Amino acid sequence: ETGVTQTPRHLVMGMTNKKSLKCEQHLGHNAMYWYKQSAKKPLELMFVYSLEERVENNSVPSRFSPECPNSSHLFLHLHTLQPEDSALYLCASSQAASLRGETQYFGPGTRLLVL
Amino acid sequence: EDQVTQSPEALRLQEGESSSLNCSYTVSGLRGLFWYRQDPGKGPEFLFTLYSAGEEKEKERLKATLTKKESFLHITAPKPEDSATYLCAVQASGGSYIPTFGRGTSLIVHP
Repeated sequence: ETGVTQTPRHLVMGMTNKKSLKCEQHLGHNAMYWYKQSAKKPLELMFVYSLEERVENNSVPSRFSPECPNSSHLFLHLHTLQPEDSALYLCASSQAASLRGETQYFGPGTRLLVL
Repeated sequence: EDQVTQSPEALRLQEGESSSLNCSYTVSGLRGLFWYRQDPGKGPEFLFTLYSAGEEKEKERLKATLTKKESFLHITAPKPEDSATYLCAVQASGGSYIPTFGRGTSLIVHP
C-alpha cells in the first residue's frame, strides 16, 4: 500500500467554487509533486516542492495554486475552474528532487469533475 | 525538447503469451528512465528505474532493459493480473525536475 494519501478521492465542483485537494506522505521524503492526468494524454507535471523550494510548469493556469506547509503535506487550491480541468489529480513524493533519477511514489489520486 | 513514445498503444495477450512493450525516448542526457504500472482509478505504481544503457532489472514476470534510444518491458508468461496500463517516463540530466511521460500502453491479458 502506498505511503502517499490523497483526499478527497472524488470531487464535483461548479466553476465558481473554491476547493482544495490535500496530499500527505508518510515516507520521510523531501520532495512532493502535483500531476494532472487527463484521458488519452500523458501525465503532466504541475508543481514541484523540494526542500521548501517551488518549481512550476509554466503552462499551468493561475486558477491552480499549490501550498506546501511542510515536507509531509501538500495542497492544491482550486478557484474558478473550467470544465476542461476535469481530470485525475495525482500527488507524488520522492526522497529528493535534485538527485539522480529520483523515483516518485504516487498517491491514489483525486478524480475531479468540474460542471 | 524531450520526447517519449510508447508502443503499442494497446496490447491484448493470451495468458502465457510473452511479449514486449516499447518506450522510445529523445533526451539531451538521460538521468533516469522509469517504468510504472497503473491500474484503473489508481495512481501509478513504481516498477523500475534504469540509469544507463545495458542495464537490466527484473521483478517477477517483468524485465526492463535500456539502450541509448529505447527501453523494453518484457513480460514473460503473463497472467490476467498483469493487465494494467504501463507508463514510461524519462528524466533529463539538464537540471530540470520535470520528467516526461509517455502516453502508456494498455495491456489486457485474457485467461
